Amino acid sequence: NAGVMQNPRHLVRRRGQEARLRCSPMKGHSHVYWYRQLPEEGLKFMVYLQKENIIDESGMPKERFSAEFPKEGPSILRIQQVVRGDSAAYFCASSFFQETQYFGPGTRLLVL
Amino acid sequence: KNEVEQSPQNLTAQEGEFITINCSYSVGISALHWLQQHPGGGIVSLFMLSSGKKKHGRLIATINIQEKHSSLHITASHPRDSAVYICVIGVNTGNQFYFGTGTSLTVIP
Repeated sequence: NAGVMQNPRHLVRRRGQEARLRCSPMKGHSHVYWYRQLPEEGLKFMVYLQKENIIDESGMPKERFSAEFPKEGPSILRIQQVVRGDSAAYFCASSFFQETQYFGPGTRLLVL
Repeated sequence: KNEVEQSPQNLTAQEGEFITINCSYSVGISALHWLQQHPGGGIVSLFMLSSGKKKHGRLIATINIQEKHSSLHITASHPRDSAVYICVIGVNTGNQFYFGTGTSLTVIP
């Protein structure tokens, strides 16, 4: 049973471009969480999704950020018009219902 | 004020020592998680607790709901335990999460 997969592992974007981060949960998991870890800071919750539903997006910036978890395929975290302050590690975790979360390896986003 | 406070921030121990990391929180929770983040950045979920005590190998996690406090213990510490340990609380029926700032542990051979 493969663990949580995230891709790409590293992503470089120029200011103003779009960043798409993908997360494939563990098999059988229908709950996905996205977290952001800014340089020299702790993890922060962004959004909690179930299949086709956003359950809680209270940690998401109001503009430029969106997330989805379609019926088929991975969960996508989308950042439009990236700025330097978006440079961070973005971690995805999945769980079976609201149980132990299993983390992916993260995507390191660097905005030039 | 942070919803989650961890102590100590940094901890250095000799191999074999018994280690305790503390986590206090100020809000009602649905569950508390302990995570381990390795120097390379990878994150492993160690425990999820809502009451009592859990043990996994050399790791023990306890929680006291009345006192809003949890501890993570490592017995017979080893250099490979060197990592950042993060306390996370889930609130609002588990929809939202607040993270402690982490405890950076270094175990010296």
